[in-house]
Amino acid sequence: GENVEQHPSTLSVQEGDSAVIKCTYSDSASNYFPWYKQELGKGPQLIIDIRSNVGEKKDQRIAVTLNKTAKHFSLHITETQPEDSAVYFCAATNTNAGKSTFGDGTTLTVKP
Amino acid sequence: NAGVTQTPKFQVLKTGQSMTLQCAQDMNHEYMSWYRQDPGMGLRLIHYSVGAGITDQGEVPNGYNVSRSTTEDFPLRLLSAAPSQTSVYFCASSYGTAGNPGELFFGEGSRLTVL
Repeated sequence: GENVEQHPSTLSVQEGDSAVIKCTYSDSASNYFPWYKQELGKGPQLIIDIRSNVGEKKDQRIAVTLNKTAKHFSLHITETQPEDSAVYFCAATNTNAGKSTFGDGTTLTVKP
Repeated sequence: NAGVTQTPKFQVLKTGQSMTLQCAQDMNHEYMSWYRQDPGMGLRLIHYSVGAGITDQGEVPNGYNVSRSTTEDFPLRLLSAAPSQTSVYFCASSYGTAGNPGELFFGEGSRLTVL
């Protein structure tokens, strides 16, 4: 089955700095890669996603890059703000199998 | 529009007891799923359904049953609770089908403790 590794497990940055979270996956059939943000006591919520036919996608301060050859994808958050503090999960989805496999999560802390 | 609603939010069980976690969505999503979240282990898929009458196992199905009699509801049953099932459970649904799950919409979670 699919295996997703996510690094780092914790990340602390100063407000205004950039944050990068990286994920690798094992199943070359995975073709949809969402990122979710989970705030304390809530369910995860999608913040950005990318499909396998695209190398990069940006939405305001967040961007995701995908390298299918190397089987890794990354989340980039620029100009971080305290409200960006949360747990972030990456996921790899094989749409033919209909299952999403999640990474173990990254706890991001943005210090004011 | 309530989205995905899970009940109860908190539950304490004794070993061997059974219970059902309820999940309902009002978005007419075909795809529904259950995940458990344990510290440092991310979200692991328990069971999923691509439509009414169809269910399938995920990564960690043992000890859990599901059924999907309507598009809206996807209950998760614990047959004989064990301490290893202490976790936070999330129900999630999606517009997609088996061929394209798409964005998952999560409920707020049900925290279960088994003593």
